[in-house]
Amino acid sequence: GESVGLHLPTLSVQEGDNSIINCAYSNSASDYFIWYKQESGKGPQFIIDIRSNMDKRQGQRVTVLLNKTVKHLSLQIAATQPGDSAVYFCAENTGANSKLTFGKGITLSVRP
Amino acid sequence: GAVVSQHPSRVICKSGTSVKIECRSLDFQATTMFWYRQFPKQSLMLMATSNEGSKATYEQGVEKDKFLINHASLTLSTLTVTSAHPEDSSFYICSASPTSGRAHEQFFGPGTRLTVL
Repeated sequence: GESVGLHLPTLSVQEGDNSIINCAYSNSASDYFIWYKQESGKGPQFIIDIRSNMDKRQGQRVTVLLNKTVKHLSLQIAATQPGDSAVYFCAENTGANSKLTFGKGITLSVRP
Repeated sequence: GAVVSQHPSRVICKSGTSVKIECRSLDFQATTMFWYRQFPKQSLMLMATSNEGSKATYEQGVEKDKFLINHASLTLSTLTVTSAHPEDSSFYICSASPTSGRAHEQFFGPGTRLTVL
């Protein structure tokens, strides 16, 4: 079946560097995408979202890029900080209802 | 704003007993709430969609008689794990979609860690 997946299970970056977390999705009908951050033992925390009619959206220190041609989503974190260490999930919505399908998750580890 | 709470945060129970988990939207009304299950080092898997005043919609493979969902008000949904077994041990997370919010918007609770002995 169709699914949302991530390329890498872990990512280690130096504090202050930029981080790029990638996500591949396979459902071409998806029209809304979200990035979540989950710290250990907590629920997911909304980071940023993007609709399929856009290819880029910026927030505070974060940027989401959407490439519908290759069904690829990425999250860029500028000047990565120790507090950014967490598991990051992408999620997609097909528009039929509010149901979200989550990707597998990637652990971001920030080295001091 | 848009705070979702869960109670309890942690629960340990004996095999064969039932456990109820509450999900509350504290400062907004939610027509729709969602229940997810997350095993260690894995992603969130949607179990069911809970709509206020109607029966929940369960995802394929989720036993509706084992995971009872009640959404009696616009601010409360409950998940009851009946006759729990060790394999039901997991992190259960709910989310709530505001009645008057943007489409597809979901706010997540802090999760409930269930351990079945």
